[in-house]
Amino acid sequence: EVQLVESGGGLVQPGGSLRLSCATSGFSFSDHYIDWFRQAPGKGPEWVGRSSSKAYSYSTKYAASVTGRFTISRDDSQSSLWLQMNSLKIEDTAVYYCARGVAVAGAVYLDFWGQGTLVTVSS
Amino acid sequence: DIQLTQSPSFLSASVGDRVTITCRASQGISTSLAWYQQKPGKAPKLLIYAGSTLETGVPARFSGSTSGTEFTLTITSLQPEDSATYYCQQPKSYPLTFGGGTKVEIK
Repeated sequence: EVQLVESGGGLVQPGGSLRLSCATSGFSFSDHYIDWFRQAPGKGPEWVGRSSSKAYSYSTKYAASVTGRFTISRDDSQSSLWLQMNSLKIEDTAVYYCARGVAVAGAVYLDFWGQGTLVTVSS
Repeated sequence: DIQLTQSPSFLSASVGDRVTITCRASQGISTSLAWYQQKPGKAPKLLIYAGSTLETGVPARFSGSTSGTEFTLTITSLQPEDSATYYCQQPKSYPLTFGGGTKVEIK
């Protein structure tokens, strides 16, 4: 069974840091893209960033709103991924999800998602 | 960035009704579009990918179609469990973007 489980969310002050984890199981981790999304209260989902698969040298991409502040890393031996979030802003408050990506006809679709972890940035 | 304009933002329909949601892309994305269903407090669930391919396990009353830059999600016979918010999403280019969502209410 494919599973993704996020953890590490919590309350942090503006300017602070937080590291989210995404533990996965049930699939070949190194063969898949893993993306981070977030969803602010009452809003739609927003893409945060991507870690490509081993075939694409684990390259990363980020949304403009988090570039330079957030970093994605992964460890295939642990089938896990992390989102290091620095210089947090109030507008980063959201539920953060990790999701598995599968390539189809040149595009990557997110077919399994975790349950999410809440990050609250507030003083 | 590719903008996705989704309509309507809200619809109320009865059980058994045929429901259609539209998503228009600001530029050509071929058939590269996904539809997600999201219920309160839950993660999005993939329904349709590549414009019209039904994800494994999704009921056949859901279907997707494409015409140029306009994409359509159809629910042929609305069921009570279909009450949710539906989002389109394009995977064609970075940044990945979503439509504004359509909240479907059961009358």
